[in-house]
Amino acid sequence: DAGVTQSPTHLIKTRGQHVTLRCSPISGHKSVSWYQQVLGQGPQFIFQYYEKEERGRGNFPDRFSARQFPNYSSELNVNALLLGDSALYLCASSINYNEQFFGPGTRLTVL
Amino acid sequence: TQLLEQSPQFLSIQEGENLTVYCNSSSVFSSLQWYRQEPGEGPVLLVTVVTGGEVKKLKRLTFQFGDARKDSSLHITAAQPGDTGLYLCAGALGGAGSYQLTFGKGTKLSVIP
Repeated sequence: DAGVTQSPTHLIKTRGQHVTLRCSPISGHKSVSWYQQVLGQGPQFIFQYYEKEERGRGNFPDRFSARQFPNYSSELNVNALLLGDSALYLCASSINYNEQFFGPGTRLTVL
Repeated sequence: TQLLEQSPQFLSIQEGENLTVYCNSSSVFSSLQWYRQEPGEGPVLLVTVVTGGEVKKLKRLTFQFGDARKDSSLHITAAQPGDTGLYLCAGALGGAGSYQLTFGKGTKLSVIP
């Protein structure tokens, strides 16, 4: 079975632009979560979606938004990009609330 | 304030040595997960511990969850170069319908042949 997939793998943007990152969960998983990992740190929770509803939100500004589609895939949108948004963005899917499985991530560089 | 403290942050050992990584918090978690991450890749789940005092073994890796579900440890016996990587602990928080992982900063392990 395919694991969590994310696209694109790498992305370069300039300050002020917006970006859309995509995630497809493991087949059968209805929950998708997004995390931001800056260099030298552990991942930090951004959003959790379950059955297309937002179930959790981390301490991120309103420039960050997300949604989940009927097929359980998800998008993370970031507006008005700042240099500090440069990070590895990770998507994780789960079938229950005890285990999350991560995708390979999208490396975002903001210049 | 870091909710989960991992120690040590960096560890460099010779092949065949044993090591222990610690994960401590003042918060109680419903479960705790350990991941290993390679550079530029997503974390790979190693184990989930749920019950206070629980011990799980995965080949040469032994994971323990503290009795109060606030801390955990990872012990590797006879480390091999293939064990090199970033080890992350993550505590699960949330009630019914919501769930989020809080990660430590990680322990970067290098095993020298």
